Amino acid sequence: EAGVAQSPRYKIIEKRQSVAFWCNPISGHATLYWYQQILGQGPKLLIQFQNNGVVDDSQLPKDRFSAERLKGVDSTLKIQPAKLEDSAVYLCASRSLGNGDTQYFGPGTRLTVL
Amino acid sequence: AQSVTQLGSHVSVSEGALVLLRCNYSSSVPPYLFWYVQYPNQGLQLLLKYTSAATLVKGINGFEAEFKKSETSFHLTKPSAHMSDAAEYFCAVSDGNSGYALNFGKGTSLLVTP
Repeated sequence: EAGVAQSPRYKIIEKRQSVAFWCNPISGHATLYWYQQILGQGPKLLIQFQNNGVVDDSQLPKDRFSAERLKGVDSTLKIQPAKLEDSAVYLCASRSLGNGDTQYFGPGTRLTVL
Repeated sequence: AQSVTQLGSHVSVSEGALVLLRCNYSSSVPPYLFWYVQYPNQGLQLLLKYTSAATLVKGINGFEAEFKKSETSFHLTKPSAHMSDAAEYFCAVSDGNSGYALNFGKGTSLLVTP
């Protein structure tokens, strides 16, 4: 079974530029999560989808971050414009619908904002 | 809201010694508890999880954890450390009220010395 795929693995941009990350979850997983992991900290939830609907985006900085999962499969996370403090690893995870089921994580995208 | 606290941001053990990584949780409803491991430049890998079945949970690579409701703890142990165990370890909690999104601790960096 293929795991969660993410691209790109690394991205370096200047502040005020825009950037997009892509995630392909495990086949059949209805729930998809994006987390932000700042260096030295644990991951923090940004947004959660179930199929193509948003379940929780309360911690997403909506003035600059956006995310979509149009067909209930792949997802993209966008930052526009980027700030220095957005430098982090962006992790995508997916989960099937059973209670307490495991979240499986992708390798992450490491973003550096200069 | 649920949360976890990991005691000790850095733990150092000798190869062959007992590994003990501490995690205490706070949750208003019965929690699901997880331990993940993260190797450098990689995503998160599940070590083990507690989902209200047996309180002593065995995971991969010889790790285990015991859920103690009276102490609100879920400490991770391994009888004998290997050099390959050196990594960052994260405790996390989730419940159905949050759509099973994970709330992570700040992580504990495990160093194994020869």
